[in-house]
Amino acid sequence: DQQVKQNSPSLSVQEGRISILNCDYTNSMFDYFLWYKKYPAEGPTFLISISSIKDKNEDGRFTVFLNKSAKHLSLHIVPSQPGDSAVYFCAATPYNTDKLIFGTGTRLQVFP
Amino acid sequence: DTAVSQTPKYLVTQMGNDKSIKCEQNLGHDTMYWYKQDSKKFLKIMFSYNNKELIINETVPNRFSPKSPDKAHLNLHINSLELGDSAVYFCASSLIKYGPGGSYNSPLHFGNGTRLTVT
Repeated sequence: DQQVKQNSPSLSVQEGRISILNCDYTNSMFDYFLWYKKYPAEGPTFLISISSIKDKNEDGRFTVFLNKSAKHLSLHIVPSQPGDSAVYFCAATPYNTDKLIFGTGTRLQVFP
Repeated sequence: DTAVSQTPKYLVTQMGNDKSIKCEQNLGHDTMYWYKQDSKKFLKIMFSYNNKELIINETVPNRFSPKSPDKAHLNLHINSLELGDSAVYFCASSLIKYGPGGSYNSPLHFGNGTRLTVT
């Protein structure tokens, strides 16, 4: 039972354009959502997060949007850079726990 | 000055053997975790420890035994290795913070993973 889904295994975007990575979840008890970025042979690195009481959080080129009614969140990267090429994992945690539930990741490739 | 370090990076062993993976964090965090990433790229939590106390145990076989000698270390020992144990194992750590709404964990810091191959 996959509670966090990233339905696009890969995404290819030209440098300078916007990258939009999507994530859907099924558990209404999730109240905190995170995006992690992973390079090959490295561990995931925290990128940005959002609490369920917000619908948007922005940090530089990265913005996360949360639509609770649709149980959907997205990560926008603008402008995209070649160094953004990595696998992006969406993750969620239920209220009052520290148990992170991860999606299967989306491989982003930013080409010149 | 690696924040979360785990050793070894690669581990190749035969079925039936016993092996250990070590993890250390120098971030001053009080909670540590083991995650497993299988061949389908699912990243799933196995265990979490807070100040050396087991908090989460996610229906992991008894052959897996975490050991936390202190809050900066969380080792994973695996007995009688099976082919299905082949995966990448990630150690992680976080810090419990306290705010007006209660307690919550800071985002996890992950190690670089240990790729275990059982032949």
